[in-house]
Amino acid sequence: GDSVTQMEGPVTLSEEAFLTINCTYTATGYPSLFWYVQYPGEGLQLLLKATKADDKGSNKGFEATYRKETTSFHLEKGSVQVSDSAVYFCALSTGGGNKLTFGTGTQLKVEL
Amino acid sequence: DAMVIQNPRYQVTQFGKPVTLSCSQTLNHNVMYWYQQKSSQAPKLLFHYYDKDFNNEADTPDNFQSRRPNTSFCFLDIRSPGLGDAAMYLCATSREQGTYEQYFGPGTRLTVT
Repeated sequence: GDSVTQMEGPVTLSEEAFLTINCTYTATGYPSLFWYVQYPGEGLQLLLKATKADDKGSNKGFEATYRKETTSFHLEKGSVQVSDSAVYFCALSTGGGNKLTFGTGTQLKVEL
Repeated sequence: DAMVIQNPRYQVTQFGKPVTLSCSQTLNHNVMYWYQQKSSQAPKLLFHYYDKDFNNEADTPDNFQSRRPNTSFCFLDIRSPGLGDAAMYLCATSREQGTYEQYFGPGTRLTVT
């Protein structure tokens, strides 16, 4: 079945550091890929998405590129802020369906 | 603001005592979802409604039921909660089926004593 593997957290960075959160997937067919973010006490919010190979999703300084050859969708940001502290979930959906398959989430802590 | 609302945010129930969690949305979306998220685990889809059509995931226990009386509201009923059902329950909506963005509520944390 479909699955998503993310790097374990917590990831602790200093403000303005470079961020990478690794995500790899296993899926039948050609999935759409997503990054969701969950701030403390809030629901999950879509951060960015990519629907086909080599697409780059971007939002709020975050980027991720759909790499079919390595089945990866790593999240990057050039300079993190304290306000980026949250839990980040990688997810996929296949076949135009409704089901999102999530990774276990990676907690990011950004310190001054 | 249009949003997905879940009540209550925290719910405590006793082992075996039925409990209902509620979700409402002001987005007028056709699809509503319920996910279960156990501690340090990925959210797992339990079922979803496309309009009035109910779609159950194959591995969702029979103990979990859902109702959608109208477009705005959806309920999650746990008929006989066990200790293993303690989790965060997330409600989400999307405009249509397919790879449309899903909008999540803040979740209800269920404790079973």
